[in-house]
Amino acid sequence: GENVEQHPSTLSVQEGDSAVIKCTYSDSASNYFPWYKQELGKRPQLIIDIRSNVGEKKDQRIAVTLNKTAKHFSLHITETQPEDSAVYFCAASESGGGADGLTFGKGTHLIIQP
Amino acid sequence: DSGVTQTPKHLITATGQRVTLRCSPRSGDLSVYWYQQSLDQGLQFLIQYYNGEERAKGNILERFSAQQFPDLHSELNLSSLELGDSALYFCASSLSTGGTEAFFGQGTRLTVV
Repeated sequence: GENVEQHPSTLSVQEGDSAVIKCTYSDSASNYFPWYKQELGKRPQLIIDIRSNVGEKKDQRIAVTLNKTAKHFSLHITETQPEDSAVYFCAASESGGGADGLTFGKGTHLIIQP
Repeated sequence: DSGVTQTPKHLITATGQRVTLRCSPRSGDLSVYWYQQSLDQGLQFLIQYYNGEERAKGNILERFSAQQFPDLHSELNLSSLELGDSALYFCASSLSTGGTEAFFGQGTRLTVV
């Protein structure tokens, strides 16, 4: 089955700086890669996603890049703000195939220092 | 509010017991997914139903089972509970099968004592 590795497990950045979280996946059949943000005690919420036919996607301060050959994808947050503090999860799945459930990385605890 | 409703929010039960967690998906969503979140294992996919039928299985124990009813709500049954089953159980729904945004419910926190 799919295996998703996520790094780092904790990331502390100064407010206003950029944050980068990286993930690798193992199953070349995976073609859908969402990123979820989870605040303490709350549900995961989708912040951005990318499909394998796209190399990069941007939404305001958030961007995701995908390298299919290397099987890795990254989340970039620019101009970080205190409300960006949360745990971020990357995930992968094979859409349209047999196993549609998301395989998640272990999460990155992002801390924005004032 | 994601539109996905899970009940109960909290559940405390003893080892060996059986519990049922309930999930109502967003209106119009046909897929329901169940996930288990624990500190050591992270978010783990358990099982998926699509329009009433089992679609995919993940790391679901044999003591656990699920079903999706004609009105599309889903139930996750956990039996012969062990201390290690204590976790946050999330239900998510999406319009169709994989590759579309999955919306998570608020979760059910299960504590086995």
